[in-house]
Amino acid sequence: EAGVAQSPRYKIIEKRQSVAFWCNPISGHATLYWYQQILGQGPKLLIQFQNNGVVDDSQLPKDRFSAERLKGVDSTLKIQPAKLEDSAVYLCASSLGTPGLFFGEGSRLTVL
Amino acid sequence: KQEVTQIPAALSVPEGENLVLNCSFTDSAIYNLQWFRQDPGKGLTSLLLIQSSQREQTSGRLNASLDKSSGRSTLYIAASQPGDSATYLCAVMDGNQFYFGTGTSLTVIP
Repeated sequence: EAGVAQSPRYKIIEKRQSVAFWCNPISGHATLYWYQQILGQGPKLLIQFQNNGVVDDSQLPKDRFSAERLKGVDSTLKIQPAKLEDSAVYLCASSLGTPGLFFGEGSRLTVL
Repeated sequence: KQEVTQIPAALSVPEGENLVLNCSFTDSAIYNLQWFRQDPGKGLTSLLLIQSSQREQTSGRLNASLDKSSGRSTLYIAASQPGDSATYLCAVMDGNQFYFGTGTSLTVIP
């Protein structure tokens, strides 16, 4: 069974530039999560989708972050314009409910 | 909202030792608890998942226990190896959300 796929693995941009991350969840997983993990901290939920609907985006900085999940499968997370404090690893995870969470390898963003 | 705490934040042990990592949470009404391993620069790899009706789960040298009433879980690693060096995170599923601790950074010294 294929795992959660994410790209790109690494991205370096200047502040005020834009960046997009892509995630393809495990086949059949209806729930998709984007987390932000700053070095030394646990993952922080940015947005949760159930199929192609948003369940929770209360911690998403909507002035600069956006996310979509078209057709209830893969998802993109965009940051525009980026700030220095956005430097982090962006983790995508998918779930079929109580069996738990499955994560991709993450996308490491460095903002200079 | 759940608050998840992991103690200690960092742990260094000689190879071969048995060790225990702790995870505590504030609300006992959880669906499950999951332990993850994270290597530097990588994503989270699931180690063990304990459903709310279970008391423990085992996989190889790993054993995780859950005491919902006291809001605690422990991850026991037997006969530690240098390859076990990583950060270990616990997460509780409460409703349809997952709440994470900040992790324990484990170093196993050869």
